[in-house]
This record gives sequence, structure tokens and C-alpha cells, in this order.
Amino acid sequence: GAVVSQHPSWVICKSGTSVKIECRSLDFQATTMFWYRQFPKQSLMLMATSNEGSKATYEQGVEKDKFLINHASLTLSTLTVTSAHPEDSSFYICSASESGDYNEQFFGPGTRLTVL
Amino acid sequence: EDQVTQSPEALRLQEGESSSLNCSYTVSGLRGLFWYRQDPGKGPEFLFTLYSAGEEKEKERLKATLTKKESFLHITAPKPEDSATYLCAVTSGTYKYIFGTGTRLKVLA
Repeated sequence: GAVVSQHPSWVICKSGTSVKIECRSLDFQATTMFWYRQFPKQSLMLMATSNEGSKATYEQGVEKDKFLINHASLTLSTLTVTSAHPEDSSFYICSASESGDYNEQFFGPGTRLTVL
Repeated sequence: EDQVTQSPEALRLQEGESSSLNCSYTVSGLRGLFWYRQDPGKGPEFLFTLYSAGEEKEKERLKATLTKKESFLHITAPKPEDSATYLCAVTSGTYKYIFGTGTRLKVLA
């Protein structure tokens, strides 16, 4: 149980284009989903928290107009990187929590984004 | 400021050589401490949740313990397949995770 999927697993795009990453909870309903970014050999950096049907809450320093998050249902959240630039290249990981309080988060396998 | 520190940063063990990883935390009101395993290029895999001092949990060769200031992840007789980065995270006043920087474990055959 508690499986979270992400699609795509990797993507290469040209500078200036937009990329959408999907995160799905496959066997549970996720009240809250989280988006993280991870640089090589570093820990996870929280970008934003989203609750189903509500606007996402972004962490300080994360541009909400650049990283658009939609949590349209209890099993799906999407992250769109708009007008991507090479510095946006990174490993993006989502996680999902059933209740969003103090329960464990279950992570997706991650998406490797490379912007040329 | 809430903070999580993991040590050592990297650890090399021979197969069968037991050891412990440390996660020290400073938070205002611990609500939960979580251990994850992360393989290269993959998302973190959930291992344990600990909620209160004195709590212990086990899974195969892994055992997690919790005190009021730190948590240990004990690895008994590790195998090469236990090689990974082990991450510790805590939640306090909000449900957001505060992650440590992880311990990179390498078990040699």
C-alpha cells in the first residue's frame, strides 16, 4: 500500500518551454501533497504544500508564478515549470499524505528535469 | 530555529559489521520523527515513524529508537543491499518535514 507515482520519470526540454509533472497517489486519497526539489548529494528542499481544492502554499524563495501547482483531486497533483531555464534542472520529488497532519509522507520516484 | 542534524555524513561498513546512524534534533514540540531510505535517482522509501521518547520499531535488520534529543537507526549485520542514503525528518508545530542531510551508507561485500 501507500504507493505514489510520478510521470514522467525524466524529461529533457529546451529553454523557455513549460514542463508538467504529474504526481498520483495510487491506493489512497491524499489530502495533502508536497513538492520537493533535490540537488545532487543534498537533502530534499520543500517547494510547496498543496491541499486538494485549495491554492498551494509556497516556501519562501520559491516563485509561485514559475512553479504552478494544481491539486485538482485527492489522487492527483501537478507541478508545471513555466518558461524553464537551465538553472531549473533538478530532481523533483512529490509526496503525499493521507491526512496532512503528522502522519508519514509517501514519496514518488522522482522526475529528473534537464533544461537545455 | 528547528534543526535536524545527521551523523556521520558517510559510513562504510563491511558486510556483517553492525553500526548505528544518528539523527539529532532541536524542535519546539516534536510531533513525529521519520526515517527514510533513498537509493540514487529514486524517491525516499518510508521506513519508520516514531512519536514519543522510548519508542522503538524494527524491520528486518533495522531498528529505530527515539529519545528526547535524538534518534538512532541501528543496522544489524548489514548486507550490500542495505547501501543507500538514510534520511531523517521531523515534524513539529506544522506538518511540514524538516529533513536532515542524510547519511550515505556503503556496505562492502
